[in-house]
Amino acid sequence: GNSVTQMEGPVTLSEEAFLTINCTYTATGYPSLFWYVQYPGEGLQLLLKATKADDKGSNKGFEATYRKETTSFHLEKGSVQVSDSAVYFCALSEPNAGNMLTFGGGTRLMVKP
Amino acid sequence: NAGVTQTPKFQVLKTGQSMTLQCAQDMNHNSMYWYRQDPGMGLRLIYYSASEGTTDKGEVPNGYNVSRLNKREFSLRLESAAPSQTSVYFCASRVGDANTGELFFGEGSRLTVL
Repeated sequence: GNSVTQMEGPVTLSEEAFLTINCTYTATGYPSLFWYVQYPGEGLQLLLKATKADDKGSNKGFEATYRKETTSFHLEKGSVQVSDSAVYFCALSEPNAGNMLTFGGGTRLMVKP
Repeated sequence: NAGVTQTPKFQVLKTGQSMTLQCAQDMNHNSMYWYRQDPGMGLRLIYYSASEGTTDKGEVPNGYNVSRLNKREFSLRLESAAPSQTSVYFCASRVGDANTGELFFGEGSRLTVL
């Protein structure tokens, strides 16, 4: 079946540091890949997505590139802010699985001033 | 812009009690979902409804029932709550079942079963 593996958190960074959150996946077909973000006390919201190999999703300074050869979709940001503190979820959806989203375990990011 | 609205936001139950979590969306979406979120396990799909009048089991359906009351509303019922059902529950919706369709989530309902 499909699965998504994320690095365990929490990840603690100082403001303006570089962020990488690793995500790798297992899928039987050709999935679409997503990053969702959950701010404290809120539901998840879509941060970015990529629908085919070598696509780069980007939003709010965050980027992730769909790497089919390494089955990865790592999230990066060049300079984090305190307001980026949240839990980040990597996810995939695939037609072979009815397009249901499969989520990773989530990675908590804490950014200190 | 209400989006997806869930009630209640917090609930404490005793083992064996029943309750219903309510969810409504005002975006005219066809598909609706119930997830549970547990530490380190991400979100797991309980039930979903691809369209009005249909419901299907997800990854962890045992102990739950759902009703798609109309296009807007999708409720989740615990008939006899167990401590293992202590979790945060999220309702979500999207336009259809397309592979690239964005999910819109409610704010969550935190349930504690004693």
